Amino acid sequence: AQRVTQPEKLLSVFKGAPVELKCNYSYSGSPELFWYVQYSRQRLQLLLRHISRESIKGFTADLNKGETSFHLKKPFAQEEDSAMYYCALLNTGFQKLVFGTGTRLLVSP
Amino acid sequence: GAGVSQSPRYKVAKRGQDVALRCDPISGHVSLFWYQQALGQGPEFLTYFQNEAQLDKSGLPSDRFFAERPEGSVSTLKIQRTQQEDSAVYLCASSPGPGKNIQYFGAGTRLSVL
Repeated sequence: AQRVTQPEKLLSVFKGAPVELKCNYSYSGSPELFWYVQYSRQRLQLLLRHISRESIKGFTADLNKGETSFHLKKPFAQEEDSAMYYCALLNTGFQKLVFGTGTRLLVSP
Repeated sequence: GAGVSQSPRYKVAKRGQDVALRCDPISGHVSLFWYQQALGQGPEFLTYFQNEAQLDKSGLPSDRFFAERPEGSVSTLKIQRTQQEDSAVYLCASSPGPGKNIQYFGAGTRLSVL
């Protein structure tokens, strides 16, 4: 069964501190993983996907197949990073996304 | 261009009423998805269309839920005889097609069943 686990409901940091939002997954095939972000009063939007290996808004995420993890990291958090973050796995056979329960990131000044 | 558009944004229904939620995908997008997001949870898959064909409806929670996309563009999610447990945000997403795996989400319809 496919499953995405985000163990932290809330992560609170100060501006300038490093951030790591944890994501673990279970999937029998070759996974395609995403991070989606939802800012206050905005729609869910793609932040990054593992196959593009990009850095978006200073965030990076590396797929670790050995640890079945796809943690999201940023070295220096900004107040505008405060949002809800969802890790998601694509079931490529059926095209659907499987989401974690989300982590709320709160960056204080 | 315009993103995925959903209407209404908010819907209040009395228990037992039927509701219809509309989704206008991004023009030209072949794939369309519906997700249900309960309070404090991540979105959960309901159903998937490729053009007008409903290829996966494994996530629909009961036979009270029905979705259609008759002309391969606009989609409607219908819930019959609504129950309190149907209260959630219903999200629609579209993508250019199979193999182009980025899904673009609408703002959602928040359904409250009293």
